[in-house]
Amino acid sequence: KAGVTQTPRYLIKTRGQQVTLSCSPISGHRSVSWYQQTPGQGLQFLFEYFSETQRNKGNFPGRFSGRQFSNSRSEMNVSTLELGDSALYLCASSLESTGGAADTQYFGPGTRLTVL
Amino acid sequence: GESVGLHLPTLSVQEGDNSIINCAYSNSASDYFIWYKQESGKGPQFIIDIRSNMDKRQGQRVTVLLNKTVKHLSLQIAATQPGDSAVYFCAENANAGKSTFGDGTTLTVKP
Repeated sequence: KAGVTQTPRYLIKTRGQQVTLSCSPISGHRSVSWYQQTPGQGLQFLFEYFSETQRNKGNFPGRFSGRQFSNSRSEMNVSTLELGDSALYLCASSLESTGGAADTQYFGPGTRLTVL
Repeated sequence: GESVGLHLPTLSVQEGDNSIINCAYSNSASDYFIWYKQESGKGPQFIIDIRSNMDKRQGQRVTVLLNKTVKHLSLQIAATQPGDSAVYFCAENANAGKSTFGDGTTLTVKP
């Protein structure tokens, strides 16, 4: 099976712009989660989508949003970019069979976003 | 709130030695724990997991120990190799789709 893929791998934007990142989960996985990784804050949970619905949300401002499509692919959007948004954005997918215990999350390679 | 922490930010070992990386968590309701390895320029890679109904689980060259009494887990790597050099994260997953990560321990293996 192919792993989690993320596009683009690298992105450079300027303050005030917006950006959209894409994630394709492992085939058959229905849950997609997004994380922000920075040297100072480590890995921080952004949000999680399951069956096209946001099921969990972290403590990030409303400038960060996402969505999931019927094929489980997901996108996240950051509007009005700030310098502090520079980070590695990671996507993870898991099976999440309904009613079961938590499943292992498998990560993609990430998108490195630089805001100038 | 939930937090997951690692005892040491860095660990240096000699090739061939065993490595032990520790992690403490605060959420006593946590029931699923995962260890990830992250190499430079890559996303976290799953190593091994353990559920709260177990206290030990073994994989290939790796063992995870869980002590629920003191809310502590550890990752043991046997016969550490240069390819094991990476940042290791423990994560707790109490809510479906959401993992809470520790700060990471950088393991350096000296030849």
